[in-house]
Amino acid sequence: QQQVKQSPQSLIVQKGGISIINCAYENTAFDYFPWYQQFPGKGPALLIAIRPDVSEKKEGRFTISFNKSAKQFSLHIMDSQPGDSATYFCCVGGTSYGKLTFGQGTILTVHP
Amino acid sequence: DTAVSQTPKYLVTQMGNDKSIKCEQNLGHDTMYWYKQDSKKFLKIMFSYNNKELIINETVPNRFSPKSPDKAHLNLHINSLELGDSAVYFCASSHLLGQFFGPGTRLTVL
Repeated sequence: QQQVKQSPQSLIVQKGGISIINCAYENTAFDYFPWYQQFPGKGPALLIAIRPDVSEKKEGRFTISFNKSAKQFSLHIMDSQPGDSATYFCCVGGTSYGKLTFGQGTILTVHP
Repeated sequence: DTAVSQTPKYLVTQMGNDKSIKCEQNLGHDTMYWYKQDSKKFLKIMFSYNNKELIINETVPNRFSPKSPDKAHLNLHINSLELGDSAVYFCASSHLLGQFFGPGTRLTVL
C-alpha cells in the first residue's frame, strides 16, 4: 500500500525554467508535508515543509502548493539552476518529529 | 559542527557476518531514527527512538537491533548479514522544525 505517490520519476528542465514535482497521499490524518533534496552520496536535506492549514509556502525559489481537498501537494522550483540537479522526495507525516513516509523520488536534471 | 554523524561511511562484508553502524547527533534532539535506502533510492523508516525509548519498529527482521545508550546516540547492529541487506543506511534526528539526516553508511554484503 503506497501512502504517497510521487511523479514524475525523472524530469529534465532547461536552466531558468520551472520544475514541478507532484505528490498525492491517501491518509487525511497526515498533517506535515516536507520536501527533501538529496545529492549523490549525501543524506537527504530538508528543503521546505508545509502544514495543511495553508495552501502555499514559499522560500526563495522553492514553493509548495497544497490542495487539501484533492490530497495533493507539489513542489515548484522557479528559475531552475544546474545546481538544483538532485533527487527530490516528498514526504508525509503526522508531525515534524514523527514517522515520515517518503515518496518514490524524482531525479531532476537542469541543463545549462 | 552541529550535525548528525555516522560511522563508518562504507562497510563491505561477507554474508553471515555481524556488523554495527554508529550514529551520533549533537543537535540536542530527543528523537532519532534509522532509515534504509535501497538501490532504487526508496527510503523507508526502520526504527525510531525518543529519549532512548523505542517508539517505532517497522517490520524489520530481528537480525536488526538498534541500541540507544543515550539520547545523542543510536547504533544499529545487524546479525547474520544477507545479500538483501546491501543498501545505504541513514541515521536522522528531529525536533519541531523537522528531521535532519546523517551522511549515510553504504553497506555492501558479498
